[in-house]
Amino acid sequence: NAGVTQTPKFQVLKTGQSMTLQCAQDMNHNSMYWYRQDPGMGLRLIYYSASEGTTDKGEVPNGYNVSRLNKREFSLRLESAAPSQTSVYFCASNELGSGNTIYFGEGSWLTVV
Amino acid sequence: EDQVTQSPEALRLQEGESSSLNCSYTVSGLRGLFWYRQDPGKGPEFLFTLYSAGEEKEKERLKATLTKKESFLHITAPKPEDSATYLCAVLARTGFQKLVFGTGTRLLVSP
Repeated sequence: NAGVTQTPKFQVLKTGQSMTLQCAQDMNHNSMYWYRQDPGMGLRLIYYSASEGTTDKGEVPNGYNVSRLNKREFSLRLESAAPSQTSVYFCASNELGSGNTIYFGEGSWLTVV
Repeated sequence: EDQVTQSPEALRLQEGESSSLNCSYTVSGLRGLFWYRQDPGKGPEFLFTLYSAGEEKEKERLKATLTKKESFLHITAPKPEDSATYLCAVLARTGFQKLVFGTGTRLLVSP
């Protein structure tokens, strides 16, 4: 079972460059999420998509955009990367009502120099 | 504001030395409390969900318990392979389901 798959695993960007993190899940989940994890800060929600066709801001959305391409895929875009966006990014998904358990991908390590 | 505090930040145990990790929370109506395990360079791996005070769940050497203000993750006779960061998160009843995470406890079990 693949579960939640993220690409790329590692990326180095220069300040001002743009990039997109890709995420796909094969569990037929309705809801998908993007989190970032920083030392001492815990996991923080950037954006989420309750269902196909909808997206909403989380706790730290500034500097990011998202696209729910279809039920399986949810991408995160950095339009103009800043050093403050150096972090580990996790995509996650779940099915509402099924215990609410959220399942995570393996993470994408992003460094902005 | 929903908040989760985990303690200690780090814990070092000898193999076989049992202990407990703490997760204190404040939330506007608890829909669920979640425990995850995270290994270095990996994503969080789901362990348990607890829904109401008094509930307990077990998996191998791990047992999670829940009160109205906190949850404990008890580790009995730990092994080196239990070394990881353990994350606690809460899901509030209000609004769309968004997990609020603590910063985790780093556990190191020495042989």
